[in-house]
Amino acid sequence: GAGVSQSPSNKVTEKGKDVELRCDPISGHTALYWYRQSLGQGLEFLIYFQGNSAPDKSGLPSDRFSAERTGGSVSTLTIQRTQQEDSAVYLCASSLGNANEAFFGQGTRLTVV
Amino acid sequence: GQNIDQPTEMTATEGAIVQINCTYQTSGFNGLFWYQQHAGEAPTFLSYNVLDGLEEKGRFSSFLSRSKGYSYLLLKELQMKDSASYLCAVRGLEGSSYKLIFGSGTRLLVRP
Repeated sequence: GAGVSQSPSNKVTEKGKDVELRCDPISGHTALYWYRQSLGQGLEFLIYFQGNSAPDKSGLPSDRFSAERTGGSVSTLTIQRTQQEDSAVYLCASSLGNANEAFFGQGTRLTVV
Repeated sequence: GQNIDQPTEMTATEGAIVQINCTYQTSGFNGLFWYQQHAGEAPTFLSYNVLDGLEEKGRFSSFLSRSKGYSYLLLKELQMKDSASYLCAVRGLEGSSYKLIFGSGTRLLVRP
């Protein structure tokens, strides 16, 4: 596609439920990043994919968080048993390679009530 | 460890020039990015420096010195719409990870 696409744009869920957030990177982009941004805060790194592999998962906050990428394209971030502190904007970015510009999607605003 | 520092807030006047500095310490270096982020929106790509020197793009310029671990973003002919947060990010290399690490951002307020 023309840009990085994330869905849903907004998600309200009840505490304890599981949620899946989707990222469609720019076509042909091999590197993909997930970040979390709480209100008024900076971007917190979650996970980095190169192709379908995740060389760096160091930012995932707990074992309730997982992510996968299939076909070197779409990525899904899954949060199990959501907690109120998971409420944030989840941002995805992609780049053509590891020496190229990285572009962000519009994010998914997650609210856990 | 990895660390990226930039000022928290800056104020400037419409029509003026402002320079936002960024210093970094990372494992390896594979490029420095500047992004603009308006409140409630996603970051928008502004510039990417991988070699030393100045990159100019319209009203925005970005400078990099790898030996000093230093970059700045220069905004000329400031407009009210330039009021936003400006994020400095570095792509490091740790093992096989080329993750992008972000500073906390500089909130720029442009006044009439």
